[in-house]
Amino acid sequence: DQQVKQNSPSLSVQEGRISILNCDYTNSMFDYFLWYKKYPAEGPTFLISISSIKDKNEDGRFTVFLNKSAKHLSLHIVPSQPGDSAVYFCAARGSNDYKLSFGAGTTVTVRA
Amino acid sequence: NAGVMQNPRHLVRRRGQEARLRCSPMKGHSHVYWYRQLPEEGLKFMVYLQKENIIDESGMPKERFSAEFPKEGPSILRIQQVVRGDSAAYFCASSPLIDTEAFFGQGTRLTVV
Repeated sequence: DQQVKQNSPSLSVQEGRISILNCDYTNSMFDYFLWYKKYPAEGPTFLISISSIKDKNEDGRFTVFLNKSAKHLSLHIVPSQPGDSAVYFCAARGSNDYKLSFGAGTTVTVRA
Repeated sequence: NAGVMQNPRHLVRRRGQEARLRCSPMKGHSHVYWYRQLPEEGLKFMVYLQKENIIDESGMPKERFSAEFPKEGPSILRIQQVVRGDSAAYFCASSPLIDTEAFFGQGTRLTVV
């Protein structure tokens, strides 16, 4: 039962433009959402998170938007850089929970 | 401060053999989590341990899989009598508290031949 879905397996964007990654969830108990970035042969590294009490969180070039009514979140990367080429995982958990539910990931390729 | 250390990075086992995957959490972290990533899928929770205790193993197959986190030494994920379907990347993560961000290791890629 896939509770977190990333429907776009891949995304190609030109350097300097915006990358928009989408994520949908089904479990209404989720109230904390995270994005992880993963390079080949490495583990996921934490990128940015958002609590359900917010609808936006920004950290440098990365902004996460949360739409609770639609059970949808997105990650915006602007401007995109070649080093951003990686797999991005959306993850979610309930409050006071430790188990993360992950999406299948979106592979981002930033073209020079 | 070293990150989460997993070894080996790559492990090849023949069907029926045992696989032992090790994880040393970050210094000061007493919460350890194991996740498995099958090809083309996201990471799936397997087990959550604290020192000497298994807190939640609901994501771990009942047969052939076991995990421990002894008082001294790394956490161990053990898979007995491996089958081809066990081929995956196994990631360990650790955190200082239960509801803080977990830091992941580089993973062990298990290949069963």
